[in-house]
Order: sequence, then structure tokens, then C-alpha cells
Amino acid sequence: DAGVIQSPRHEVTEMGQEVTLRCKLISGHNSLFWYRQTMMRGLELLIYFNNNVPIDDSGMPEDRFSAKMPNASFSTLKIQPSEPRDSAVYFCASSLVGSPTEAFFGQGTRLTVV
Amino acid sequence: QKEVEQNSGPLSVPEGAIASLNCTYSDRVSQSFFWYRQYSGKSPELIMSIYSNGDKEDGRFTAQLNKASQYVSLLIRDSQPSDSATYLCAVNKGGGGADGLTFGKGTHLIIQP
Repeated sequence: DAGVIQSPRHEVTEMGQEVTLRCKLISGHNSLFWYRQTMMRGLELLIYFNNNVPIDDSGMPEDRFSAKMPNASFSTLKIQPSEPRDSAVYFCASSLVGSPTEAFFGQGTRLTVV
Repeated sequence: QKEVEQNSGPLSVPEGAIASLNCTYSDRVSQSFFWYRQYSGKSPELIMSIYSNGDKEDGRFTAQLNKASQYVSLLIRDSQPSDSATYLCAVNKGGGGADGLTFGKGTHLIIQP
């Protein structure tokens, strides 16, 4: 089975530009999580969806960040405009709603904003 | 107070010995507990989950949970150089629905050949 697929794997962009990160869930999974990892703050939950519905976006740093699930198997995380402090590795993970709730991670997108 | 705390290490263990990794959490309503392994430059990989007090064994790995003490641990027996990685403890408040995980910052484990 294919795992969680993220694209691009690496992104370098200039400050002020729009960045879109993409994620394809594991087939059959219905929960989607976006995380950000930095050395200083570790792995932080940004937002998660159950059955395409955003449940908790309290981790989204500010209005420059937005996430969508246009369908049950795909999600985007958009940063507009990007800033150097957004530089991090962004992971998405998917799981099944229910117990146990074991999340499986994609390979991540390393974002560098210069 | 941090929600999930781990000693950042590095924790250095000789090959073949038992590596012991510890984690404490602050929210008493937490119900699900996980250990992820992350190699440098890679994504976190789930290695153990535990939901009830006591021990859970899987191969060389044993997870231990003590909800009264709000403490989770991971033992790795017969440590191998390939076990060298950062180990992340994660906690989920939900026992039924899928909630996001809260992660500790991880313990960097080094297995010395």
C-alpha cells in the first residue's frame, strides 16, 4: 500500500511569495493532520481534519496559513505571504477516526524561505 | 508547563545493552500513548502504541505506561547501531476519535558499537 504522499519534497521560495504544500492520504484513512517541525519548537500540530471537516486549527500560527481538504483523499496547506520564520519541515499524517488512532506520516516538505 | 517532556539527551548506550527512554505528560485525560522513531532527515515512524497501564512488548521493544504517575517509557533490548535515532513520545487525549498528537521534543539515542 502507498503511504502518505507529500509534494514537493523541497521548496525554496522568496519572502512574500505564496507557497502551497500538498498531501495525499493513505487510502481509506479519514483523518488528516498537518504538523510543522523545527529545532526550536519540535513537532507541532497545526490543524487536523476528520472526514474533510476542520476540527482544530488552534495551532495555525496566523492568518497567513490556511489548509483545505477539497476531497477525502487530498489536502493543501498554503502560506501567503511566506516569511523566513516559516522555514521548517512540514509533515502531514493520516489515520482512521476511531480507536486506536495511530497516525502515519508522509516524508515531509522542507520549506526554506529566503 | 510543557505537555509532554522528554530528556533531549544524547543518551549513549553500548551495543547489546538495554536502552531506556522516558516521557512524562501533564494532561491526566490523555488516553493514548505512542513512541515514534525519527532518523535524521526522515519522517517519524510509529514503533509502539500503548493504551492501558502496564507493559506491552513487541520484539525488542517494550512500552510501559503508568497513568497514575503520568509516565511512559520505552525499553529497547539488545540495542543495535541501527537503533540510533531520535525517539519521540506522543500523547493523544482522545481514546475514540482521532485527535492530533502532542509530541515531546524527543530523546537522541546513540548506540555505540
